[in-house]
Amino acid sequence: EDQVTQSPEALRLQEGESSSLNCSYTVSGLRGLFWYRQDPGKGPEFLFTLYSAGEEKEKERLKATLTKKESFLHITAPKPEDSATYLCAVQAVSNYQLIWGAGTKLIIKP
Amino acid sequence: NAGVTQTPKFQVLKTGQSMTLQCAQDMNHNSMYWYRQDPGMGLRLIYYSASEGTTDKGEVPNGYNVSRLNKREFSLRLESAAPSQTSVYFCASSENRELTEAFFGQGTRLTVV
Repeated sequence: EDQVTQSPEALRLQEGESSSLNCSYTVSGLRGLFWYRQDPGKGPEFLFTLYSAGEEKEKERLKATLTKKESFLHITAPKPEDSATYLCAVQAVSNYQLIWGAGTKLIIKP
Repeated sequence: NAGVTQTPKFQVLKTGQSMTLQCAQDMNHNSMYWYRQDPGMGLRLIYYSASEGTTDKGEVPNGYNVSRLNKREFSLRLESAAPSQTSVYFCASSENRELTEAFFGQGTRLTVV
């Protein structure tokens, strides 16, 4: 069964304290892996798509990486405005439907 | 450029009542989706429309119906609301069903009492 698990459920960091969020997946053939950011009371907002193991993408303080079993979202020197829930989703080769993780709630304290 | 617009933002229904959630996008996207989001769970796909004139069931379609009215609009109907349908509903659109980013509306928070 295709599945996505995100860890930790919640992460509290001090401003400037770098860390990583994990997205583990099992899927019968990966078409792509997506990262989204969701602010309270709003819909998810697209961040990255990763297609194959070894691929990396960066945007400001965020960098996403992909292996054959998991993806990491690295946050370098975060600021309070990076506080949000980060969602991971995968799309299988056999099916266009996205399978979503439950998300990691990131809180950055000033 | 509004993106994806959903109405209403909040709704309280009594068990057995019906309602329609409206969604419109102005990006000329082919594909549109309805998701529900519940605490501690990932987004779950209710229905989708790969292109104008087509609709298909997603992971959790029971108790819902949809209409792709035209390329811009995709509505979700609850015929007889149940407490289990209390959730936050999101409409989304994308250029197509393959690897393109999806744009989400702000959500509808629905409570069924």
